[in-house]
Amino acid sequence: DGGITQSPKYLFRKEGQNVTLSCEQNLNHDAMYWYRQDPGQGLRLIYYSQIVNDFQKGDIAEGYSVSREKKESFPLTVTSAQKNPTAFYLCASSMGPNGVSPLHFGNGTRLTVT
Amino acid sequence: AQKVTQAQTEISVVEKEDVTLDCVYETRDTTYYLFWYKQPPSGELVFLIRRNSFDEQNEISGRYSWNFQKSTSSFNFTITASQVVDSAVYFCALSEANSNSGYALNFGKGTSLLVTP
Repeated sequence: DGGITQSPKYLFRKEGQNVTLSCEQNLNHDAMYWYRQDPGQGLRLIYYSQIVNDFQKGDIAEGYSVSREKKESFPLTVTSAQKNPTAFYLCASSMGPNGVSPLHFGNGTRLTVT
Repeated sequence: AQKVTQAQTEISVVEKEDVTLDCVYETRDTTYYLFWYKQPPSGELVFLIRRNSFDEQNEISGRYSWNFQKSTSSFNFTITASQVVDSAVYFCALSEANSNSGYALNFGKGTSLLVTP
């Protein structure tokens, strides 16, 4: 079955360490997205990519970095510069960019930094 | 500024009651898309519906129905005869055709629905 795989489901890191969250999709979607979810805050866009080797900052990109070397993969690195990294991170993809199709989401990674 | 407002933070109903989740949006675009997603305790967001700005026809899917009114910039979601399995966080979202963030969605803060037996 096609879908989006995020790994790991839970991730623990010490403050000051960079950490990379994995996101893989086999839906053949062009566009991929990273969102951050905090309690009572909804989802906020971190980065998005409409095509391979291209990506754009979202609303809260500071302290994060991404790469899009392959169509199927869009890893997110949470750097030590991110002041409040503990959150639930959701990866999504869509057929885009020419069509407004629904986003398909992964199961998320819950990151805890202490 | 918040583009999607879900004023109800939490709603609690007893099974079989009807419940309406409110969503008010803000955009200057004439072409835009509205979505509803469901997030069960497992965490994954499940797509429920998409409407475009040119189609104000209400939609019904089983126990779910949506009321889209451009005059009030609202896209409300009603669950009829609620069930315990409907317990989840529900998000309303907006995508604007002229947005500079591709077709990324702007989400509301969500409404947590609890349906008790």
